[in-house]
Amino acid sequence: TQLLEQSPQFLSIQEGENLTVYCNSSSVFSSLQWYRQEPGEGPVLLVTVVTGGEVKKLKRLTFQFGDARKDSSLHITAAQPGDTGLYLCAGAGGSQGNLIFGKGTKLSVKP
Amino acid sequence: EPEVTQTPSHQVTQMGQEVILRCVPISNHLYFYWYRQILGQKVEFLVSFYNNEISEKSEIFDDQFSVERPDGSNFTLKIRSTKLEDSAMYFCANPGGAAAFFGQGTRLTVV
Repeated sequence: TQLLEQSPQFLSIQEGENLTVYCNSSSVFSSLQWYRQEPGEGPVLLVTVVTGGEVKKLKRLTFQFGDARKDSSLHITAAQPGDTGLYLCAGAGGSQGNLIFGKGTKLSVKP
Repeated sequence: EPEVTQTPSHQVTQMGQEVILRCVPISNHLYFYWYRQILGQKVEFLVSFYNNEISEKSEIFDDQFSVERPDGSNFTLKIRSTKLEDSAMYFCANPGGAAAFFGQGTRLTVV
């Protein structure tokens, strides 16, 4: 069974700090995605990483896919209160559309 | 980002009643998926539907669940006889490459 473990589960930081959250698995994934979810809403896609070692940047967010395609990280530089939310990683579990999600990292950025 | 629309946003139903959740996917997509998220837990894959047929389903998607495309543009998820443990957010989604674009969800509360 493919599982994605995310850490930390909760993270509370001050505005301006940097942070990294992790998504790990013992299985190889053809791709991993990162989503952000607000309370009561659906996950919103941030990025998809496909190639081992790949690094993608989205403004202050940097996403990395591990060389072995078993893990990924999300680094946020100079966090802002607007970054507060639940960050989910997900990977393809089988056929088209069968995504396996991690439990998420709940980030709180205090002004 | 392409939009997937779900109705209703919130549904309260008595245990044992049938509910129908509706989704209007991104135009011209033949694939759509249903996921659910019990409060505080992972987003879980239920079923993928392609060209009017189920292409994959999870263990959660038992005989009380069904999916249909009643007309050319809408998709439905029916739960025949709801149980308390069916209370969750239900999301439909369309493919976005290896990832998915999610609707805002329907919160189902079974009482």
